[in-house]
Amino acid sequence: QVQLVESGGGVVQPGGSLRLSCATSGFTFSNFGMHWVRQAPGRGLEWVAFIRFDGTHISYADSVKGRFTISRDISKNTLHLQLNSLRPEDTAVYYCAKDRRVTSTGGFDYWGQGTLVTVSS
Amino acid sequence: QSALTQPRSVSGSPGQSVTISCTGTSSDVGGYNYVSWYQQHPGKAPKFMIYDVSKRPSGVPDRFSGSKSGNTASLTISGLQAEDEADYFCCSYAGSYTWVFGGGTKLTVL
Repeated sequence: QVQLVESGGGVVQPGGSLRLSCATSGFTFSNFGMHWVRQAPGRGLEWVAFIRFDGTHISYADSVKGRFTISRDISKNTLHLQLNSLRPEDTAVYYCAKDRRVTSTGGFDYWGQGTLVTVSS
Repeated sequence: QSALTQPRSVSGSPGQSVTISCTGTSSDVGGYNYVSWYQQHPGKAPKFMIYDVSKRPSGVPDRFSGSKSGNTASLTISGLQAEDEADYFCCSYAGSYTWVFGGGTKLTVL
């Protein structure tokens, strides 16, 4: 069965950095696009970043562009999100999510359990 | 990348039907038939409920249905059950490999 397991969250000071990981299993990782979606405490979902199934396209929400970097390790079936220049407003649970289909337009069919990032001094 | 607009809350009694709206623009909801819906119980990850405006993934009860008219998509839940009480989020493709979510709607089953 499909499994997504995030790790790497924690408490970091403003201006600091963190690297999140999402270990995947149960599907062919290189055949599907992947996303990061975050949820601030008590708030709604916010799409953060995307990497296409073939790695040819990467995109970011305006709120994180220039500060966050999405990447993947095909050999380890793992997705990453590098978070730099962190701000208090980046405090959230970060979820990785899998595209339902190769065109990346069919929604996010599997989600991890999330990892909490807290930005505070 | 402005969030889609959803009502903050809706409610209904067991057995009744409720509809949750999701309003965007011609650049997202109105421009693509790629609206999806997610159910989230407290402390849990979102669950995939609807894709391509009105299609249900396997395992999702047919009590859940989706539709779209212009810039507004809707999720209807018929035959409300206690376990349907949750937060619901819409999401639309917004072009150029970007996506936008709604602010979420809290469904209360009375």
